Amino acid sequence: KAGVTQTPRYLIKTRGQQVTLSCSPISGHRSVSWYQQTPGQGLQFLFEYFSETQRNKGNFPGRFSGRQFSNSRSEMNVSTLELGDSALYLCASSLGPGARGTEAFFGQGTRLTVV
Amino acid sequence: AQKVTQAQTEISVVEKEDVTLDCVYETRDTTYYLFWYKQPPSGELVFLIRRNSFDEQNEISGRYSWNFQKSTSSFNFTITASQVVDSAVYFCALSGSRLTFGEGTQLTVNP
Repeated sequence: KAGVTQTPRYLIKTRGQQVTLSCSPISGHRSVSWYQQTPGQGLQFLFEYFSETQRNKGNFPGRFSGRQFSNSRSEMNVSTLELGDSALYLCASSLGPGARGTEAFFGQGTRLTVV
Repeated sequence: AQKVTQAQTEISVVEKEDVTLDCVYETRDTTYYLFWYKQPPSGELVFLIRRNSFDEQNEISGRYSWNFQKSTSSFNFTITASQVVDSAVYFCALSGSRLTFGEGTQLTVNP
């Protein structure tokens, strides 16, 4: 069974631009969560979507947004990019909502560099 | 608030040595889950184990073993007879409505 697919793998953007990252979860999984990983802050939760609804949101500015489609694929968007947004963005897929008791399976991430 | 602490930032061992990665957590929940993930250089977080708060039995899977002690809020991970392929960053995580990760431990196994 295919794993979690994130595209693109690498991205270079200029400050002020906007970017959209994509995540295709494991077939049958309806929950998608996004995490930002940076050397300074570690792994931080961005948001979670389940059945096209945002269920949970981390402590990030409104420039970070996301959505989920009826096929469970998810996109996250970052507008007005800042240098500090350079990070590895990881998507996690799980069967049900929330992290309780369900394994989250992660994609390989999108490495975003803002210059 | 939930918190996970991995006090060891980096560990370096020689192949075949045993190594233990420490994880201490804080939560007010009475029911919770703990996880360990491995992150190789490729970036993907690989699920290793899940343990719920009611099950304090130690678990062994091949060269991997986990020691969960609720009394000390610890969930430590031991690799026996380490191999070069074990080199990676290891994360301990705690579940609530979302996963809270520790800072990670960079394990380097030298030949």
